[in-house]
Amino acid sequence: EAQVTQNPRYLITVTGKKLTVTCSQNMNHEYMSWYRQDPGLGLRQIYYSMNVEVTDKGDVPEGYKVSRKEKRNFPLILESPSPNQTSLYFCASSLQPVAGSYNEQFFGPGTRLTVL
Amino acid sequence: SQQGEEDPQALSIQEGENATMNCSYKTSINNLQWYRQNSGRGLVHLILIRSNEREKHSGRLRVTLDTSKKSSSLLITASRAADTASYFCATDSKDTGNQFYFGTGTSLTVIP
Repeated sequence: EAQVTQNPRYLITVTGKKLTVTCSQNMNHEYMSWYRQDPGLGLRQIYYSMNVEVTDKGDVPEGYKVSRKEKRNFPLILESPSPNQTSLYFCASSLQPVAGSYNEQFFGPGTRLTVL
Repeated sequence: SQQGEEDPQALSIQEGENATMNCSYKTSINNLQWYRQNSGRGLVHLILIRSNEREKHSGRLRVTLDTSKKSSSLLITASRAADTASYFCATDSKDTGNQFYFGTGTSLTVIP
């Protein structure tokens, strides 16, 4: 089954304790992205990757890191989490944009993170 | 921020009625997409319309795009209780390369 998986689905942690949220897709997609969703703000892009070893900042990259060593995986790293990073996080993937024109994105189920 | 906005923020209708939600965005785009989200779950793609298209249909969905006004509308006809969800528009941007922008969403409630 074609899907995007995220782990963990729920996480409660404390300020400053490094954490990683994993994301994996089995559709051989080039484009992968991380979003956070907060009430009243919709989804905001954190980082995205056009392909292996190519990553770029989205709208809200501060406090986050990503890596793309393999095509299927795109982990989100919070080196020193803070309470303002409490949010619902989504990973998504799609085929490579062609001439700037995007394809539909497939979303993971989400990771609800609480930072105390 | 180049994030789009949906209007209205919330919409409540009776089953069988049509639901219309609007999206405005700020930059020149290549395409605009609509997504649906059931409470707390991942988003699901509904329909994509390219910047050179004005209208597109998919089942009970009808999307229009007016690039001169930087706006789009999503019409759901003959709504069902199962259509209850949040709906988001999403755009790329010709100005900022490969970033992707979602609107703030419309929460639709369809009353049986």
